[in-house]
Amino acid sequence: DVKVTQSSRYLVKRTGEKVFLECVQDMDHENMFWYRQDPGLGLRLIYFSYDVKMKEKGDIPEGYSVSREKKERFSLILESASTNQTSMYLCASSPKGTGSSYEQYFGPGTRLTVT
Amino acid sequence: DAKTTQPTSMDCAEGRAANLPCNHSTISGNEYVYWYRQIHSQGPQYIIHGLKNNETNEMASLIITEDRKSSTLILPHATLRDTAVYYCIVRVQKSGGSNYKLTFGKGTLLTVNP
Repeated sequence: DVKVTQSSRYLVKRTGEKVFLECVQDMDHENMFWYRQDPGLGLRLIYFSYDVKMKEKGDIPEGYSVSREKKERFSLILESASTNQTSMYLCASSPKGTGSSYEQYFGPGTRLTVT
Repeated sequence: DAKTTQPTSMDCAEGRAANLPCNHSTISGNEYVYWYRQIHSQGPQYIIHGLKNNETNEMASLIITEDRKSSTLILPHATLRDTAVYYCIVRVQKSGGSNYKLTFGKGTLLTVNP
């Protein structure tokens, strides 16, 4: 079974803190994604990576950065956390290939609260 | 991507088949139908996808009508753990970056009752 793990299920941080969210997948997938999910807004793509050290901005990259130093690990960084970044953060991975890339395997999510 | 319409909610008895409909009357010839589900407080889970032919895997079956304007996801023997929101998504498979992003609509809340 594909396993995608995220470093924390729940996280509480203060405004202005630098926050690291880690995601690890064990299926040797090339693609990795960071989404956030908010009530009424659905899933929104923050960043995407298709290979080590490669990244592309999604729809809402402002206030976030990412790092992919190893194939299995994709980190999301909130440079200076703000209250409007309170959300559920979901990491996903998929094999490469136009068809396979839509078969995304998600982690359990990290519910981040910024106070 | 074509618009999809799903019922807001459905109920199913444990052990019975759950049939979840999706209407996508404006689907074009190169658009695939994907199904995902999300159990409360968990990440979404990929279930199945298809283009024209019916598909089956260990989780579910996908029946697509001949005119492709609607489809049905079938969970053959629903269990309490199948209670979740089920999302039907219609997508062209385009390569590259943000083309791979998933966008979920409101979906169908399936409640499996004992």
